[in-house]
Amino acid sequence: DAGVTQSPTHLIKTRGQHVTLRCSPISGHKSVSWYQQVLGQGPQFIFQYYEKEERGRGNFPDRFSARQFPNYSSELNVNALLLGDSALYLCASSPAGLYQETQYFGPGTRLLVL
Amino acid sequence: DAKTTQPNSMESNEEEPVHLPCNHSTISGTDYIHWYRQLPSQGPEYVIHGLTSNVNNRMASLAIAEDRKSSTLILHRATLRDAAVYYCILSGWGNQAGTALIFGKGTTLSVSS
Repeated sequence: DAGVTQSPTHLIKTRGQHVTLRCSPISGHKSVSWYQQVLGQGPQFIFQYYEKEERGRGNFPDRFSARQFPNYSSELNVNALLLGDSALYLCASSPAGLYQETQYFGPGTRLLVL
Repeated sequence: DAKTTQPNSMESNEEEPVHLPCNHSTISGTDYIHWYRQLPSQGPEYVIHGLTSNVNNRMASLAIAEDRKSSTLILHRATLRDAAVYYCILSGWGNQAGTALIFGKGTTLSVSS
């Protein structure tokens, strides 16, 4: 079975632009979470979705938004990009988003903001 | 949120066992202990998790202290491919971020041949 897939793998944007990152969860998984990982740090939680509803939100500004589609894939949108948004963006899926479940991570999208 | 404390780095030789410690003195009764690792240029990878009893799988063993305030991830025979950042994470009810994983800085494991 395919694992979590993310697109694109790499992306270069300039300050002020908007970006959309995409994630396809493992087949049968209904929960998707997004994380931001800045170089040298552990991943930081951004959003979690389950059955198209937002279940949790981390400490990120309103420029960050996400949604989940009926097929459980998800998009992360970031508006008005700042240099500090340069990071690896990770998507993770799990069957039902329960805290005892394993989360399966994708390879990430590396975003560079110039 | 319950927090964990791990050493910044550890070193090991190939073929030797590795014991990676984690302190979590504020763990609550419903918190699971998860271990993930992240190899260079990859997303985090699940290693093992447990609640109260010691756990074994094909990758590693997890030893949980009786009072659950600490745990140890055991790699029985380290290989060069085990060089990674290892994260010890608690998740359970009362996590302000819902069921998200709250990562710290982890332990960077170096393995020498």
